[in-house]
Amino acid sequence: DSGVTQTPKHLITATGQRVTLRCSPRSGDLSVYWYQQSLDQGLQFLIQYYNGEERAKGNILERFSAQQFPDLHSELNLSSLELGDSALYFCASSVRGGSDSGEAFFGQGTRLTVV
Amino acid sequence: AQKVTQAQTEISVVEKEDVTLDCVYETRDTTYYLFWYKQPPSGELVFLIRRNSFDEQNEISGRYSWNFQKSTSSFNFTITASQVVDSAVYFCALSEGGRSQGNLIFGKGTKLSVKP
Repeated sequence: DSGVTQTPKHLITATGQRVTLRCSPRSGDLSVYWYQQSLDQGLQFLIQYYNGEERAKGNILERFSAQQFPDLHSELNLSSLELGDSALYFCASSVRGGSDSGEAFFGQGTRLTVV
Repeated sequence: AQKVTQAQTEISVVEKEDVTLDCVYETRDTTYYLFWYKQPPSGELVFLIRRNSFDEQNEISGRYSWNFQKSTSSFNFTITASQVVDSAVYFCALSEGGRSQGNLIFGKGTKLSVKP
């Protein structure tokens, strides 16, 4: 158990809908990262938050957004969902936010299926 | 441009065989970190090791060992006396200097199947 908690574990929704994925980082970790894992794109970094502020952005679509709350949990919002958004979404956390952040520990992922 | 290549898509071995998973990386930075993660059939990503670019010492942890060679931009992973529980997809990853170590460029992964 990495200590990173993601909910829900599975989500099935229809095209055009909006969903919210939730992540609780390990106790004491200030950085949260979101990744998408799909068969065609592999594991892709989406976005990082550090202590409530956006720190780095990767290949995140404009339809997707994230935030980190004062209690350090994070949410990834996916809107106007398309079939191609079906994927495993991972959250990870690390102690700090910069190059000395320490390694990232991943949650178990949320399996999103868009039908 | 930064890139991680895991040329072996799938490897199948019989229990107790040794197996090496290859990883080649590209980066222009002189400071970077390399990682290996394991993804068992249950789906979670499990951290295995981190190595920084200034430390080329090989590392051994039980049946696992890692060989980092800057001259060939490789960071290979060897499992000695493989076991069925080692069956998983293994990912090599890179984080470049200045970026957080959770901001990772992953390879496509190598699926290892260990048969009894």
